[in-house]
Amino acid sequence: GESVGLHLPTLSVQEGDNSIINCAYSNSASDYFIWYKQESGKGPQFIIDIRSNMDKRQGQRVTVLLNKTVKHLSLQIAATQPGDSAVYFCAEFSRGSNYKLTFGKGTLLTVNP
Amino acid sequence: EPEVTQTPSHQVTQMGQEVILRCVPISNHLYFYWYRQILGQKVEFLVSFYNNEISEKSEIFDDQFSVERPDGSNFTLKIRSTKLEDSAMYFCASSGSNRDQPQHFGDGTRLSIL
Repeated sequence: GESVGLHLPTLSVQEGDNSIINCAYSNSASDYFIWYKQESGKGPQFIIDIRSNMDKRQGQRVTVLLNKTVKHLSLQIAATQPGDSAVYFCAEFSRGSNYKLTFGKGTLLTVNP
Repeated sequence: EPEVTQTPSHQVTQMGQEVILRCVPISNHLYFYWYRQILGQKVEFLVSFYNNEISEKSEIFDDQFSVERPDGSNFTLKIRSTKLEDSAMYFCASSGSNRDQPQHFGDGTRLSIL
């Protein structure tokens, strides 16, 4: 069956450090991945996406890496700030669905000042 | 920046009653979705809607649930005869394309069934 999971449920970093949040997926048919940030009391907020024909994609202070060989996805946040504290979810589209996003369990990132 | 808006932010309903959750998707988006998140758990897909019909639904989305786009701006989720286990956050999302563009989410409606 398909599943999207996260290696670490919590991550605590110092302000200014770089953060790396990991995600493993088991559905080899997945071809589009999205990272979302969810702050308390709010909905998932789009951060960055990547398609399976890419290995890396960069945004503002964020980089997503995709390793299809081991079915692993990571989100790197540079110079982490207190405002980055949130739960981070990876989500995937599989080729079997044109509409359904499958979310992972989430990693809680805490940034200490 | 355009955003998805949901009302109400919190809905308290007696078990067995009907509830309607409302969403205004981003105005030029064509694809609409409902997801739910039970406290402390993953966000789960319920249903997608395009061109005035359901395009995909999960096993959670049974006959108790229905969706409607009653006019050009609103997208609603109706839950008939609510059960205790329907208590969750319900998120609406929209996208400009089905799988070429990311889905953008509202801040959710917290549904509490008593």
